[in-house]
Amino acid sequence: DIVLTQSPKSLAVSLGERATIHCKSSQNILYSSNNKNYLAWYQQKPGQPPKLLIYWASTRESGVPDRFSGSGSESDFTLTISSLQAEDVATYYCQQHYNPPLTFGGGTKVELK
Amino acid sequence: QVQLVQSGAEVKKPGASVKVSCEASGFTLTDHYIHWVRQAPGQGLEWLGWINPKNGGTNYAQHFQGRVTLTRDTPTNTVYLDLTGLKAEDTAVYYCARLPRDYVRLGWFDLWGQGTLVAVSS
Repeated sequence: DIVLTQSPKSLAVSLGERATIHCKSSQNILYSSNNKNYLAWYQQKPGQPPKLLIYWASTRESGVPDRFSGSGSESDFTLTISSLQAEDVATYYCQQHYNPPLTFGGGTKVELK
Repeated sequence: QVQLVQSGAEVKKPGASVKVSCEASGFTLTDHYIHWVRQAPGQGLEWLGWINPKNGGTNYAQHFQGRVTLTRDTPTNTVYLDLTGLKAEDTAVYYCARLPRDYVRLGWFDLWGQGTLVAVSS
């Protein structure tokens, strides 16, 4: 199984500051034939289901604010919130769909400093 | 309104079975693979399997093989999760989630149900 390791487990960021979350895959999830990274990012608030933010590692889902961006390739990925807003307080998960079983990172909790 | 609507919370005893429904609204169920993901209290996300509503094809995570069955009822736009041999460790919120249209088997989830809490306790 592909293991996704997120870091840090939690971080506290001031309003308007940058938040950076890392996701490291135990194997390369870049598919060479289409040059796509099989990684997505989700935001989950308490009592709610996850919400899709990013797919193909860097493509923003429709309606997601442009302060959210994804980057990285092969086995190292980053989710960046460029200017944290109060409504961004949540837990963030990465997910790979390169190979079954689908797996998720352990989550990163973002709080206000 | 495009949504997945799940059935209500369940309380079960160890060894029992549970059936959770997930009804598609506002879109054609057979256009999308449906997956199930669970989340134990305060924990992360764990994938259980998928169903292709078009033909009923399924695939399950090895961890749940033999205990989980996914089915669908296309006239009612509903998919079902059956989990047998419940243990305390199965206490979790169970989510159905949709792959984007025309994506097969694996992918990301662009729409989630609201979740169904299954509590297993003696």
